Amino acid sequence: DQQVKQNSPSLSVQEGRISILNCDYTNSMFDYFLWYKKYPAEGPTFLISISSIKDKNEDGRFTVFLNKSAKHLSLHIVPSQPGDSAVYFCAASGSNFGNEKLTFGTGTRLTIIP
Amino acid sequence: DSGVTQTPKHLITATGQRVTLRCSPRSGDLSVYWYQQSLDQGLQFLIQYYNGEERAKGNILERFSAQQFPDLHSELNLSSLELGDSALYFCASSSKGVNEKLFFGSGTQLSVL
Repeated sequence: DQQVKQNSPSLSVQEGRISILNCDYTNSMFDYFLWYKKYPAEGPTFLISISSIKDKNEDGRFTVFLNKSAKHLSLHIVPSQPGDSAVYFCAASGSNFGNEKLTFGTGTRLTIIP
Repeated sequence: DSGVTQTPKHLITATGQRVTLRCSPRSGDLSVYWYQQSLDQGLQFLIQYYNGEERAKGNILERFSAQQFPDLHSELNLSSLELGDSALYFCASSSKGVNEKLFFGSGTQLSVL
């Protein structure tokens, strides 16, 4: 039962253009969402997060949008740079679950083409 | 550098064997999480400890166990290993363990032959 889904295993984007990574979730109890970035041979690193009380959060070139009614979030990277090539994981948690573990999606491999 | 240290980086062993993976959290972090990443899979939550006590349990097999010691380092014990246990095992830490971003180690790659 995959509660957090990233349906695109891979995405290629030209350098300088916008990268849009998508994530869907099924559990309406999730109220906190995060994006992690992972380079080969390294652990995932935190990128950006959003609480369910917001619909947008911005940090430099990275913006996360949350559509609660659609149970959908997306990560926008503008402009895309070669160093953004990595695997991106979407994650979610719910403060009312009795535990606060993060549930991760399967990841999207982003390749930025110079 | 996340500040989370995992050892060893690579482990090769045979079916039926037992191994121990070690994790040292970031200084000051009380919560430790273990995740498993198999090929083409997302990060599967195994177990969480907070200040020495088990806090949450995920899809952890009965052959697997973990503990967090008084100095807050944690160990994940995997026994009666099977081929399907081959995966990347990540440890992560956070200060409180509640809706917080996690800091991940670089993982232990386990290969069961």
